[in-house]
Amino acid sequence: EVQLVESGGGLVQPGGSLRLSCAVSGLTVSSNYMSWVRQAPGEGLEWVSIIYSDGSTYHADSVKGRFTISRDNSKNTLYLQMNSLRSEDAAIYYCAKVDLGIRAFDFWGQGTMVTVSS
Amino acid sequence: DIVMTQTPLSSPVTLGQPASISCRSSQSLVHSDGNTYLSWLHQRPGQPPRLLIYKISNRFSGVPDRFSGSGAGTDFTLKISRVEAEDVGVYYCMQATHFPQRTFGQGTKVEIK
Repeated sequence: EVQLVESGGGLVQPGGSLRLSCAVSGLTVSSNYMSWVRQAPGEGLEWVSIIYSDGSTYHADSVKGRFTISRDNSKNTLYLQMNSLRSEDAAIYYCAKVDLGIRAFDFWGQGTMVTVSS
Repeated sequence: DIVMTQTPLSSPVTLGQPASISCRSSQSLVHSDGNTYLSWLHQRPGQPPRLLIYKISNRFSGVPDRFSGSGAGTDFTLKISRVEAEDVGVYYCMQATHFPQRTFGQGTKVEIK
């Protein structure tokens, strides 16, 4: 059974940093495309970052230069390092697996909440 | 950048009646490989999204056959043949043709009248 479990969310001041983790079981992170998607309170879904199986990474313009997606193959875990946080980064952050053949998010975690406030 | 526009944004429906959601993209979603990477997701309150439909019209594993997708190019539709209570929530279309960016529609809230 595939499971994605996010952690690391919490309250952080504007300008601060946070690292989110997504512990994965039932599949190998390094063999798949993995992504982060966020949802601000009461808002829709926004794609944030993706890491390909070859290690290539891409980020949305809204977070480029501030967020970094990475993975630890030995821990089968996905990460999102978030720096220079702004109030508009407050959201639930979901990790999701991409089915490469259909290019759709077929598995999702439950999400972790990030609050940015002084 | 690709813009995905859903209509309506809210859809009150009667149990047992059909529902339809439209999604329009600002550019064609036909990929050079011939596929169209347009998917639909459903999010119940307090839950993560779940995949319903991929590549326009293919139901994901476990999705009831009352859900169907159609369309081509820039215009797509999700239909629920007979709405059940568990179908409430927000529905999103998403494009993955113009990668690496993934773009979601604004979401359509389906609620029971």
